[in-house]
Amino acid sequence: GDSVTQMEGPVTLSEEAFLTINCTYTATGYPSLFWYVQYPGEGLQLLLKATKADDKGSNKGFEATYRKETTSFHLEKGSVQVSDSAVYFCAPSSYQKVTFGTGTKLQVIP
Amino acid sequence: EAGVAQSPRYKIIEKRQSVAFWCNPISGHATLYWYQQILGQGPKLLIQFQNNGVVDDSQLPKDRFSAERLKGVDSTLKIQPAKLEDSAVYLCASSLAIAGGGNEQFFGPGTRLTVL
Repeated sequence: GDSVTQMEGPVTLSEEAFLTINCTYTATGYPSLFWYVQYPGEGLQLLLKATKADDKGSNKGFEATYRKETTSFHLEKGSVQVSDSAVYFCAPSSYQKVTFGTGTKLQVIP
Repeated sequence: EAGVAQSPRYKIIEKRQSVAFWCNPISGHATLYWYQQILGQGPKLLIQFQNNGVVDDSQLPKDRFSAERLKGVDSTLKIQPAKLEDSAVYLCASSLAIAGGGNEQFFGPGTRLTVL
């Protein structure tokens, strides 16, 4: 099955700093790639996705590009806000099955 | 559009007791998932249903866990008997997907189980 390696946290950044959370995956097929986010006290929700090589998913200022050659899907944001504090999960999906990473906790301080 | 509903939200039991969780997916979603999320870890798939059939239950501890989705709509996950290591958040998710990729899963708020 699929597997995913995600940057360990916690990551602490000052507001307006640049964010990168690394994610690499292994998959037997050609997976779709997702980033899910879990805000404090809330359920998991989709942040962005990409379904084929070189696709860029984007939402709320976050971006990630499907890199098939390096099997990576790194999450980036140019200027983080306190409200971005959450746990972020990288998740490849093959045959309707999603494999979640361990999650990276992001804390943004004012 | 109503989201994925789960109940109860919290449950505290003693080891060796039994417990059941309920999930009602988004209307029309064919696929339903149960995940176990232990504190500090990512969700781990326990079982996946396609309508009322099981697609994947390879990581379900079948000696103590069971799940059903009799009419292809709502679902129940049961643990009997519970162990201390079952303390976790149990997440239910659903998706429209029948085939292909790129389909988003929608998650419920989860049930936080504490086994004493």
